[in-house]
Amino acid sequence: AQKVTQAQTEISVVEKEDVTLDCVYETRDTTYYLFWYKQPPSGELVFLIRRNSFDEQNEISGRYSWNFQKSTSSFNFTITASQVVDSAVYFCALSLYGQNFVFGPGTRLSVLP
Amino acid sequence: ETGVTQSPTHLIKTRGQQVTLRCSSQSGHNTVSWYQQALGQGPQFIFQYYREEENGRGNFPPRFSGLQFPNYSSELNVNALELDDSALYLCASSGGLAGGISSYEQYFGPGTRLTVT
Repeated sequence: AQKVTQAQTEISVVEKEDVTLDCVYETRDTTYYLFWYKQPPSGELVFLIRRNSFDEQNEISGRYSWNFQKSTSSFNFTITASQVVDSAVYFCALSLYGQNFVFGPGTRLSVLP
Repeated sequence: ETGVTQSPTHLIKTRGQQVTLRCSSQSGHNTVSWYQQALGQGPQFIFQYYREEENGRGNFPPRFSGLQFPNYSSELNVNALELDDSALYLCASSGGLAGGISSYEQYFGPGTRLTVT
């Protein structure tokens, strides 16, 4: 069975600080896919990134970066120079071949002005 | 490109009643997944439909059922509603299981908030 853990329930930072959201996953499969989603107060989940288990290259997209380490089963998400608009709940998720997404419990990020 | 839409936005039902929630998938997507998100929790996978067939199911009882239509839109039906069914129900569409790795990305609708009293 697959499992996703996000140990940080809530994080508060002041605007322009960097913040890292942790994600640890469990699976016995060698091929799997990891995702991050953002859920703003409006409720709609917004897709941020997909990472394949066979591609450990880190990725940067603007102020967002992701660090995937198979050795520690972690897929962490860093926001650089956070902004108030980054305030949301962030979910990490694991999927096998696009089926049965397993989501973590989420981390609520509050960015204070 | 039209995104995922869901209806209704909000719904209030009484315990024991039945409810039908609807979802229109993003254009070009042939797979629809349904999730239940209780307050303060992550989404829980209910089931997935691919080409009108159920293609995976989470740990939900049979009173949760679904349909997918030829245009890939979908319905979620819940019978004999219980108080614990109160949640945000999310629909997600994706590009199909034979469409390459990028087709595994799921795009979510705004959800239907169901309240059972």
